[in-house]
Amino acid sequence: DGGITQSPKYLFRKEGQNVTLSCEQNLNHDAMYWYRQDPGQGLRLIYYSQIVNDFQKGDIAEGYSVSREKKESFPLTVTSAQKNPTAFYLCATGTLDSGNTIYFGEGSWLTVV
Amino acid sequence: QKEVEQNSGPLSVPEGAIASLNCTYSDRGSQSFFWYRQYSGKSPELIMFIYSNGDKEDGRFTAQLNKASQYVSLLIRDSQPSDSATYLCAVNPSLSGGSNYKLTFGKGTLLTVNP
Repeated sequence: DGGITQSPKYLFRKEGQNVTLSCEQNLNHDAMYWYRQDPGQGLRLIYYSQIVNDFQKGDIAEGYSVSREKKESFPLTVTSAQKNPTAFYLCATGTLDSGNTIYFGEGSWLTVV
Repeated sequence: QKEVEQNSGPLSVPEGAIASLNCTYSDRGSQSFFWYRQYSGKSPELIMFIYSNGDKEDGRFTAQLNKASQYVSLLIRDSQPSDSATYLCAVNPSLSGGSNYKLTFGKGTLLTVNP
């Protein structure tokens, strides 16, 4: 089965805890992205990576961290420094070969309790 | 700040009508343009993309691009209740500036197709 796999789909976090969202792809895409979406809002870019061992901050990187040790994997850690982490988190992949078309995983819902 | 603007809606059309969704963008050097559909509680899925001025048709969907006016639209013919969703416009910025891997998204237009 191919595509982009995000896990977990639903996650509850207590305040002050760090959590890590997993994103794995077998599409052989170079670029990977993390977006955040709040109810009724658009997509906001958190981090993105074009190649292994390199990544750049997006528009709302504060309180988040990522790593890109393998082409297939781009985990996102939501740290306790993120003041309002409850949101829908979307991982995406893409390649310039297709004009920078990006494809999304199914998303992860994070709720802080 | 590169911007992509969409009417938030909701846009309501009767079943069988043509739905017209519009998007404007600020970066004149933008290279490619995308439409995504997002059902409530789900992730966005790609409907179609367009690179060149003019129309591009795929089934009931037509994307229209006018780079001079910095305007891209999506027409949905014979609208069905299953088309009810939020439609996101995304723009690939100009290839200069090293941002060629980042799409800029609009906030989306909510479309409701009434039976």
